[in-house]
Amino acid sequence: QKEVEQDPGPLSVPEGAIVSLNCTYSNSAFQYFMWYRQYSRKGPELLMYTYSSGNKEDGRFTAQVDKSSKYISLFIRDSQPSDSATYLCALTLNAGGTSYGKLTFGQGTILTVHP
Amino acid sequence: KAGVTQTPRYLIKTRGQQVTLSCSPISGHRSVSWYQQTPGQGLQFLFEYFSETQRNKGNFPGRFSGRQFSNSRSEMNVSTLELGDSALYLCASSKQGAHYNEQFFGPGTRLTVL
Repeated sequence: QKEVEQDPGPLSVPEGAIVSLNCTYSNSAFQYFMWYRQYSRKGPELLMYTYSSGNKEDGRFTAQVDKSSKYISLFIRDSQPSDSATYLCALTLNAGGTSYGKLTFGQGTILTVHP
Repeated sequence: KAGVTQTPRYLIKTRGQQVTLSCSPISGHRSVSWYQQTPGQGLQFLFEYFSETQRNKGNFPGRFSGRQFSNSRSEMNVSTLELGDSALYLCASSKQGAHYNEQFFGPGTRLTVL
């Protein structure tokens, strides 16, 4: 079983839809939770990161963490064709030891927003 | 501010050869992490360097190695290439790495092994 599970999709939605992307994880020691967006032939770019359980909002994006359920989500409101990309959740342990520089990624969800 | 740069962007090698990939981090960033991305396994952590020292290593065979120079630039080397080493190799830099710091990724080097 993988440490982080993410439905690879693909997910296709019409422009303006609300998109929900999710990951589950098994290791309760994960402390930091991130969402990256990766366009074709590009490196991942960080969208959001959170440390604690709860919601964090940034423009059209909302990240949600539920540590008790080991479940993280990313919501995209008013989705645009330019949001079409692969979305990756990434988790990391707290500082030090085997966590140095290591992000553990989900498989990525391919999202297409059609006009 | 210039982003993370990786060279070369594309590379074609044959089985048994070795390859060296280069990564220049964002100015002021001292931590460099390397990842392998494949369709089957996704993004997997290879290793992390900070101040010329490898501090962390993922579950990859010894054919995968790296180093970091005093200017924080990093290289990774894969010896005795196998077909399964075909992948996008990404490096990411961050400021210090002692605590979580945002990792900025380069565009990657796409390696094809024939």
